[in-house]
Amino acid sequence: EAGVAQSPRYKIIEKRQSVAFWCNPISGHATLYWYQQILGQGPKLLIQFQNNGVVDDSQLPKDRFSAERLKGVDSTLKIQPAKLEDSAVYLCASSPGLAGTIETQYFGPGTRLLVL
Amino acid sequence: AQKITQTQPGMFVQEKEAVTLDCTYDTSDQSYGLFWYKQPSSGEMIFLIYQGSYDEQNATEGRYSLNFQKARKSANLVISASQLGDSAMYFCAMSQNLDMRFGAGTRLTVKP
Repeated sequence: EAGVAQSPRYKIIEKRQSVAFWCNPISGHATLYWYQQILGQGPKLLIQFQNNGVVDDSQLPKDRFSAERLKGVDSTLKIQPAKLEDSAVYLCASSPGLAGTIETQYFGPGTRLLVL
Repeated sequence: AQKITQTQPGMFVQEKEAVTLDCTYDTSDQSYGLFWYKQPSSGEMIFLIYQGSYDEQNATEGRYSLNFQKARKSANLVISASQLGDSAMYFCAMSQNLDMRFGAGTRLTVKP
């Protein structure tokens, strides 16, 4: 079974530019998560989807971050415009059940973003 | 609000020995799940082991076991017979309702 796929693996941009990350979850997984992991910290949840609907985006900086999962499968996370403090690893995860159930999340390899 | 604490920023262990990584949590809910993930330098978070709050037995998965002490709100990870490939960051996490929160992590280094 294929795992969670993410691209690109690395991205370097200048501040005020825009960037987009892509994630394809494990086939059949209903719930998809985007996390931000700043160096030296644990991952922090940005947004959670169940199928194509947003379940929780309370920690997403909505003035610059946006995310969508239009067909309930793959997802895109965008930052526009980027700031220096957005330098981090962006992790995508998926889980098979519905949002709110306690179950294992499976993570992709992450995208390392450096904002100069 | 739920909180996960990992008090050991770094740990060293000799190859083939056992090591315990500490994790304490804070929640007022009765239903929650506790997870440990391994993150090697490649960056991917690898699921290791899960313990449900209502599980009476400590979880085990191969060389990994979870020492769950509910009254003390601790969920320590025990790795037996350490291997060089176990060198990585280890994160404790707790899930309840819609949320999964992670601790700050412990960097484990296995010495040959």
